[in-house]
Amino acid sequence: AQSVTQLGSHVSVSEGALVLLRCNYSSSVPPYLFWYVQYPNQGLQLLLKYTSAATLVKGINGFEAEFKKSETSFHLTKPSAHMSDAAEYFCAVSGGNSGYSTLTFGKGTMLLVSP
Amino acid sequence: DTGVSQDPRHKITKRGQNVTFRCDPISEHNRLYWYRQTLGQGPEFLTYFQNEAQLEKSRLLSDRFSAERPKGSFSTLEIQRTEQGDSAMYLCASSFDVGGAREQFFGPGTRLTVL
Repeated sequence: AQSVTQLGSHVSVSEGALVLLRCNYSSSVPPYLFWYVQYPNQGLQLLLKYTSAATLVKGINGFEAEFKKSETSFHLTKPSAHMSDAAEYFCAVSGGNSGYSTLTFGKGTMLLVSP
Repeated sequence: DTGVSQDPRHKITKRGQNVTFRCDPISEHNRLYWYRQTLGQGPEFLTYFQNEAQLEKSRLLSDRFSAERPKGSFSTLEIQRTEQGDSAMYLCASSFDVGGAREQFFGPGTRLTVL
């Protein structure tokens, strides 16, 4: 079965600092990987996705993520945090026994941005 | 394009009552998914439809949960004889199946509180 581990339930950064949110996955087949963001009382919005093309994926709002097969990782980064980035971020994987039709999510990382 | 909509946004019920939630997907999307999200956790897959066919329902949490998509458009999720453990956010998502990574678009969710 596939799974996702997000290290750190909370990450705090200062405005303008580098954002790094960690995601490790396990999958028996080449996975598709996703990062979603969730603002309070809202649904999930897709930031970016990896689908076996370029290993460095650029997404919306200045975020990017790099797929590293040897490390089974898909960490999310942003060079300079904005106050508006404060939200909960979820890494998700599809593939494996469950097929590519369903997403398996990590537990999420809450990003806190201080002025 | 108005996105995925869900109704109601909030539902408070007493234990033992039945509840039904509605999801309207993006109009051209043929796949519709239901997830449950509890506090501090990522969304958990429940079931999905391709058009009106329910392709995966083994992950529904118990036989008290059922879902329909009678005409391949909107879907309903029903929970019978609700329990306090059913309190959660219920998320709906939709996608257009064109092969490869199928980006899922999420609705705002229905928050269920069982007293």
